[in-house]
Amino acid sequence: KQEVTQIPAALSVPEGENLVLNCSFTDSAIYNLQWFRQDPGKGLTSLLLIQSSQREQTSGRLNASLDKSSGRSTLYIAASQPGDSATYLCAVDSGGSNYKLTFGKGTLLTVNP
Amino acid sequence: NAGVTQTPKFQVLKTGQSMTLQCAQDMNHEYMSWYRQDPGMGLRLIHYSVGAGITDQGEVPNGYNVSRSTTEDFPLRLLSAAPSQTSVYFCASTNGGTGAEQYFGPGTRLTVT
Repeated sequence: KQEVTQIPAALSVPEGENLVLNCSFTDSAIYNLQWFRQDPGKGLTSLLLIQSSQREQTSGRLNASLDKSSGRSTLYIAASQPGDSATYLCAVDSGGSNYKLTFGKGTLLTVNP
Repeated sequence: NAGVTQTPKFQVLKTGQSMTLQCAQDMNHEYMSWYRQDPGMGLRLIHYSVGAGITDQGEVPNGYNVSRSTTEDFPLRLLSAAPSQTSVYFCASTNGGTGAEQYFGPGTRLTVT
């Protein structure tokens, strides 16, 4: 059974710092990995999706990397801002059509002004 | 596009009552899923559908029923609510395929007393 772990569970940084969130998964036979953002009391917003054949994806200040063979992904946030404060969730698709995701428990990020 | 919509936003039920959580999407997505989110547990898949008339069980299906009579709608029924079903429920949809993102609704917060 696929298991997804996110470390750390919570992270507090000063504004402007670069930071890395980590995600690991036990079964490397994945089709893609997706990073989401969740604001308190809200739904999930997709940030980046990396297909299994890709090594990384970038969107603005966000960069996600994938090392499928070692079962790891990182989300790099450059020049963090207070508006980045949220819970970041990592999810893997082991089925191939991205409708049966296995989620990690998330990292709660606080960026202090 | 409204995306994925869910109603109600909040609901309180007594043990043993039944209810239906509504989910609709206007993106013509074939695949739809229901997840529940509990503190310390992350999101877990309840049921999913790969098209109208086709549904299947996810990781935690007990106590829930689904049906998919149209592409747009995917309601989740609680047959006899239990306190263990207190959770936040998210509906999601996707086009499917390894490069297709999954889109989430805003969630329904359910409390069973």
